[in-house]
Amino acid sequence: DTGVSQDPRHKITKRGQNVTFRCDPISEHNRLYWYRQTLGQGPEFLTYFQNEAQLEKSRLLSDRFSAERPKGSFSTLEIQRTEQGDSAMYLCASRGGVGNEKLFFGSGTQLSVL
Amino acid sequence: AQSVTQPDIHITVSEGASLELRCNYSYGATPYLFWYVQSPGQGLQLLLKYFSGDTLVQGIKGFEAEFKRSQSSFNLRKPSVHWSDAAEYFCAVGSNNDMRFGAGTRLTVKP
Repeated sequence: DTGVSQDPRHKITKRGQNVTFRCDPISEHNRLYWYRQTLGQGPEFLTYFQNEAQLEKSRLLSDRFSAERPKGSFSTLEIQRTEQGDSAMYLCASRGGVGNEKLFFGSGTQLSVL
Repeated sequence: AQSVTQPDIHITVSEGASLELRCNYSYGATPYLFWYVQSPGQGLQLLLKYFSGDTLVQGIKGFEAEFKRSQSSFNLRKPSVHWSDAAEYFCAVGSNNDMRFGAGTRLTVKP
């Protein structure tokens, strides 16, 4: 069990650029979540995958955000045309099968949009 | 709609004093309930969880929480706070698919 890995740890970009983050969940976990966290706030739900299927997406998420989990293993989160308001910590988390409800978090990707 | 409310944004207690952090939720059914702790620059660490059964659950670091269905609450308690407990605490509620977090309560511990 190597834990949930996220890459990169930090990303600085200019407004208007596209960025992509990667998450590698714990290998046997079929459920994967993306959250966004800003300073002083709790993790805000973005989207959820069960295996390769994206089952839920927050209504707060604009069309500039897209996530994939093509083979039911790693996932990517892309933000197009970044805005300064996108600056936040992007957290990935995974869970095992039903009955194994503990959520394991990665260390996050800190995005700064200049 | 699911929601989690942590009414206290910031709490200060003296070292050795008791602690209670409040959490209220709105959910369609009895959810799974969790408390996480986050120290500055660190990831989220699970303190304890409630799925069913005994409504008083014990967690790590001497924390406990009590599920009260009638009040839709899951308050976190510790009888004697240590300086190392200073951190941000998040309540979370969810189901098999869902997991939502509260806005957090920042705990400051006075010497």
